[in-house]
Parts: sequence; C-alpha cells; structure tokens
Amino acid sequence: DTEVTQTPKHLVMGMTNKKSLKCEQHMGHRAMYWYKQKAKKPPELMFVYSYEKLSINESVPSRFSPECPNSSLLNLHLHALQPEDSALYLCASSQDEDGANYGYTFGSGTRLTVV
Amino acid sequence: AQTVTQSQPEMSVQEAETVTLSCTYDTSESDYYLFWYKQPPSRQMILVIRQEAYKQQNATENRFSVNFQKAAKSFSLKISDSQLGDAAMYFCAYHMYSGGGADGLTFGKGTHLIIQP
Repeated sequence: DTEVTQTPKHLVMGMTNKKSLKCEQHMGHRAMYWYKQKAKKPPELMFVYSYEKLSINESVPSRFSPECPNSSLLNLHLHALQPEDSALYLCASSQDEDGANYGYTFGSGTRLTVV
Repeated sequence: AQTVTQSQPEMSVQEAETVTLSCTYDTSESDYYLFWYKQPPSRQMILVIRQEAYKQQNATENRFSVNFQKAAKSFSLKISDSQLGDAAMYFCAYHMYSGGGADGLTFGKGTHLIIQP
C-alpha cells in the first residue's frame, strides 16, 4: 500500500457544526502533515506530527484541532469554522522526520465548504 | 524564512515540444532539498523530481530534468516531449534539512502548464 487515504472527499458543514477529517497511511511513515490549500494557491502547512507527537503548529486557530491516535492515522477536528476556512485540506506523510530523504506522499484531499 | 518564487503563473506548450518552468528560492541554509510537484485536476500532489542541494549533478526522471544552480538559487524544471497528461499545476517546493525535526514543505505559487494538442 503506497497511498495516503483521506475521507471524506467532500464535506459541507455549517458554522455551528462539529466534523472531522481523517487521513490514513499504511506505509510505516512516522511523520504526518496537514496542509490547507485555497483555490489557485499553494498548500500552506498547518500541523506536523512526528512519531505521533505534535511538533509544529503554524499558528492555526483553535477551531482546528489535530489528533494522531496512532502512527497510521491522523485526524483534523473542526468546530465553529468560518466561511473563509473553506478550502482543500491535504494530508501528507513521510518516512521519517526528515521527509525529504524519501519524499512526501500526499492524499487527494478533502474539499471543505463552510456555509 | 525561506521563500520560493515561481515567476510564470501560466505556460503553454505544443504537444511533443519542450518546456522549462522557472523557480528561484531564498535561503541561508546550505543543506536542503528541492522538489517539483505536479497537481492535476484530481487534486493529488504528485512528486515529479527531487534534488539534494549537496549534489551538483542535476536530477533526471525520464522526460523530466532540472537545472540546479545553487549559487544563483535557481531550480528550473525541463519537460521534454510534452504529453497531454503533463497538463497540471506545477509547484516548486523547498525543504530544509533540520537533522531531527519534520518541517514540511514551503511551496512556490505554482505554474499552470497547458499542453496544446
């Protein structure tokens, strides 16, 4: 298995809803990442988990809450989002902390719309 | 902070022709990695090619090659024999070697590549 799987592919949620995005990989990668990508823009790093510990939080608002229950799974919990949070959320993984040794593997993303 | 600049928002090339996408970056580090990623309409970021800064030899992957000029901080991507499937957004990305911490990638703004049949 050489994939990063993200679910759901599309999500529409209201500003008062609570939802979660899920990311899964079975490649034995020990670092996992969340990126946010607005339309026609590059991905922006949100969070980095390294060996299941949060190592980077790029000043992301608290309405985004990451969780790494085990080495294969990464969640992003969403609560009280704003319409400007509508974007493509990409998950990625890398074999080790120095992700460039073997490159990063990306999922296909979750297209989130906040109404 | 590191920055990555792609000065060509859009490029167009005839099928079977060669096209070069430009990328410059700014860093004070000596150990780092550079990547080109492709993002087709399917949204998945696909690794095209990677270059380690300490290697002088330019990386090559089939029809894709780079021209890495470390002193000039330039990292261009050449696509030979362009195919319709090459149409996508191409992102240049930088990763600093931190020797023990996962840092993620810094991306340029991207170049939209159009392949004319």
